Amino acid sequence: AQSVTQLGSHVSVSEGALVLLRCNYSSSVPPYLFWYVQYPNQGLQLLLKYTSAATLVKGINGFEAEFKKSETSFHLTKPSAHMSDAAEYFCAVSAGGANSKLTFGKGITLSVRP
Amino acid sequence: DVKVTQSSRYLVKRTGEKVFLECVQDMDHENMFWYRQDPGLGLRLIYFSYDVKMKEKGDIPEGYSVSREKKERFSLILESASTNQTSMYLCASRGDADTQYFGPGTRLTVL
Repeated sequence: AQSVTQLGSHVSVSEGALVLLRCNYSSSVPPYLFWYVQYPNQGLQLLLKYTSAATLVKGINGFEAEFKKSETSFHLTKPSAHMSDAAEYFCAVSAGGANSKLTFGKGITLSVRP
Repeated sequence: DVKVTQSSRYLVKRTGEKVFLECVQDMDHENMFWYRQDPGLGLRLIYFSYDVKMKEKGDIPEGYSVSREKKERFSLILESASTNQTSMYLCASRGDADTQYFGPGTRLTVL
C-alpha cells in the first residue's frame, strides 16, 4: 500500500520569499511521484513528476522538487513566490505498472502576501 | 496537448434525480478515473476504468455507477442524487508513466 503525507493544510509566504511545500510518501516499490496545482474552480494541472531519472526535477512556473529516497520525501520548492502561485497543491504517489492508481495527499493551500 | 473535457462546469440537481456526468479525452488513453473532491478530504477515487466496458471500484463507489462504452468517454452516474453527493467531481485519464491529466471539474449541487 502507498500513502502520502502533506503536513499542514495552509502555508502563507510573502511575495518574493522561498516557497517550500513538504511531501512524504510511503511505497513498497520505487515510486513515481507527482506534484499537481489547482487554481480556484479548476481541475488539477501537472507541475512536475519524478519517474526514476534525475532526482532533482524541474517543473513549470519555476517550481522544482527533489526526490530523497532516504527521507522518503519529495518536497516542492520555488525560490521566489509570485502572487499568481496562490493555489492548492497536491502531492501524489504511484507504484507504477499496468492499471496502477495515484494516491493523493490532502493538499496544501498556498497564500502569497503582497 | 492532452485534452480532457467534462460536460458541465456547474450543475444543480434535486434530491432523487438521476445525474449523468460525462468525460471525454482525446489521447486514446486506456485508463480513466472519476474522483470527488471535498474540503479537507482531498481527492477520493470513486471508480476507474482500464478499458472499454471494464470498470473497477475505487475507495468510495457507494451511490455511484459508471459507463464506458467507447474508449474516449467515461460517464459517472448518480442513480438517485442525495445532498451528501454535493461536491466537485474530477475526471482524469492516464498517460505515460502514470501521469494523470485532469478535466476542469464539475461542481455539483444537490438540493
